[in-house]
Amino acid sequence: EPEVTQTPSHQVTQMGQEVILRCVPISNHLYFYWYRQILGQKVEFLVSFYNNEISEKSEIFDDQFSVERPDGSNFTLKIRSTKLEDSAMYFCASSSRRQYSNQPQHFGDGTRLSIL
Amino acid sequence: ILNVEQSPQSLHVQEGDSTNFTCSFPSSNFYALHWYRWETAKSPEALFVMTLNGDEKKKGRISATLNTKEGYSYLYIKGSQPEDSATYLCAFRVGGSQGNLIFGKGTKLSVKP
Repeated sequence: EPEVTQTPSHQVTQMGQEVILRCVPISNHLYFYWYRQILGQKVEFLVSFYNNEISEKSEIFDDQFSVERPDGSNFTLKIRSTKLEDSAMYFCASSSRRQYSNQPQHFGDGTRLSIL
Repeated sequence: ILNVEQSPQSLHVQEGDSTNFTCSFPSSNFYALHWYRWETAKSPEALFVMTLNGDEKKKGRISATLNTKEGYSYLYIKGSQPEDSATYLCAFRVGGSQGNLIFGKGTKLSVKP
């Protein structure tokens, strides 16, 4: 069964450094999402992406964050200058190419980001 | 602020027991309610997408019901097995058919053999 893949599984970065989290969504999906879960808290929505542009973003997704789909397969989340509070598990998700369908969002295994 | 609540936070049952847990969500502007099963170190696995009031969906020993008017959904597991041990997440979808999800904190189920 096709799946969403994320790399790396764990990223350790110094505060202030840039980090790029990578995702390969399911190949025929057109809607893409990033979520994160800070330890002990709920999974939170960051951003959704469709047709090469951001559809929605949350308050968390400030100017330090950006997303890109550079080559038609990868979907990346960049954090320009990481802060301690960015430490979390980051999940990528994608959903069906069928618009107006009530399809589930399919999640990757996540990238655990640790900021030192 | 849209809020999704799940109860109980954790549940310990014996193998063979049937169990259920609750998800509460806003009853206005409803689009869909998603249930996921999440095992440690794995990706959340989609169980159900529920859209209609009174909906009931089933997958093996797991089933779910939906009441959009009062804003709750129940997940039932019949005859729990150790492999059912996981965190069960519900998520309320905002916006249209591909809107983002607002998650509850989950119910962590442990099934003892």
